[in-house]
Amino acid sequence: DIVLTQSPGTLTLSPGERATLSCRASQSVSGNYLAWYQQKSGQAPRLLIYGATNRATGTADRFSGSGSGTDFTLTISRLEPEDFAVYYCQHYGNSPWTFGQGTKVEVK
Amino acid sequence: EAQLVESGGDLVQPGGSVRLSCAASGFTFSDYWMSWVRQTSGKGPEWVATISQDGTDKYYVDSGKGRFTISRDNVNKLVYLQMISLRVEETAVYYCVKGARTMDVWGKGTTVTVS
Repeated sequence: DIVLTQSPGTLTLSPGERATLSCRASQSVSGNYLAWYQQKSGQAPRLLIYGATNRATGTADRFSGSGSGTDFTLTISRLEPEDFAVYYCQHYGNSPWTFGQGTKVEVK
Repeated sequence: EAQLVESGGDLVQPGGSVRLSCAASGFTFSDYWMSWVRQTSGKGPEWVATISQDGTDKYYVDSGKGRFTISRDNVNKLVYLQMISLRVEETAVYYCVKGARTMDVWGKGTTVTVS
């Protein structure tokens, strides 16, 4: 099974700052089948990015995904108040499809 | 607008069973794979099971093989997850999700407590 390790565990930033979140896979993710989700407190996760770089419908263009193979990054160019949340990466190559443990982006 | 509404979560004893249901609306249900994902408080989501559009292909997390059964009713736009021999560590919020790989619509979840 592919293990996804996200770093840092917590990112403390101010609105307007740039956020860079990392997701490292224990083995290469086939087809760059890597997604990012945002989860706010008390809500279900929401798909932000799929295929490592493609924004899902409704995802603001300040969110961008990059990477390939085993190293992936989610970048939020300028943090808005509504972006403070927990972010998860997920691979969806071969089953089982696993999630990372999450990065919390909190207000400084 | 696509919507998923789960039901059936309950308090069950270890070794017990529960059947979760999910009602879909706002999209052509029979065109999509459907999945269940669970999440324990404070942890990342865990994929549990997935079913193909016509119900012929099913995939399960290793810990659920032999104990979990995913099924669907395309006429009534429902997807189910039957779980038996439940374990304490399977206490979680169970989400119904549209899609198999990219999970683009999630329900609000239903809580299963095994205690």
